[in-house]
Amino acid sequence: AQKITQTQPGMFVQEKEAVTLDCTYDTSDQSYGLFWYKQPSSGEMIFLIYQGSYDEQNATEGRYSLNFQKARKSANLVISASQLGDSAMYFCAMRERLGATNKLIFGTGTLLAVQP
Amino acid sequence: ETGVTQTPRHLVMGMTNKKSLKCEQHLGHNAMYWYKQSAKKPLELMFVYNFKEQTENNSVPSRFSPECPNSSHLFLHLHTLQPEDSALYLCASSQSRNEQFFGPGTRLTVL
Repeated sequence: AQKITQTQPGMFVQEKEAVTLDCTYDTSDQSYGLFWYKQPSSGEMIFLIYQGSYDEQNATEGRYSLNFQKARKSANLVISASQLGDSAMYFCAMRERLGATNKLIFGTGTLLAVQP
Repeated sequence: ETGVTQTPRHLVMGMTNKKSLKCEQHLGHNAMYWYKQSAKKPLELMFVYNFKEQTENNSVPSRFSPECPNSSHLFLHLHTLQPEDSALYLCASSQSRNEQFFGPGTRLTVL
């Protein structure tokens, strides 16, 4: 069965510093996708970045980048130049195919606190 | 503005009440999802609809009854819930297997 592991329940980072949030996954599929979502205290899950298993380059979206190491089965999120508004829960998720749709398997999340 | 709205945002109900959660997506997606997020647990998929047809029921108790009248609207009908059903219920939509976009959620408390 597919599984996502996030080993950091909480992280602190100073404003303007970079931070890495860890994610490891387990799957027997050859083709898969990995996602990162941000959940502020308001509750909404905000899509940040996606990495496909066959993508040769690490995904980047603005200040977000994904450090994808396929052999280690890790997909860490790197946030550069942290801002106070980055304080939130961050979830790593893997896509499991469900016919013509997807099922997302989520990790337990990492609570990031950005300090001024 | 994510394009996925949910109402109500907060709901308190007794165990004998019947209530419904509503989700609407304005993104033209064909798939819609219900997730449950309990404290200290990962998000759990509950139901999936693709072009109004239910394609997944993740062993959800029958006291939760989904309804999808069209690809833009999704309901979750609740009846005789238990206190352990208190959670954040999140709706999401996607275009086939692409990324899912989530609504703001309904925070449900069952007394």
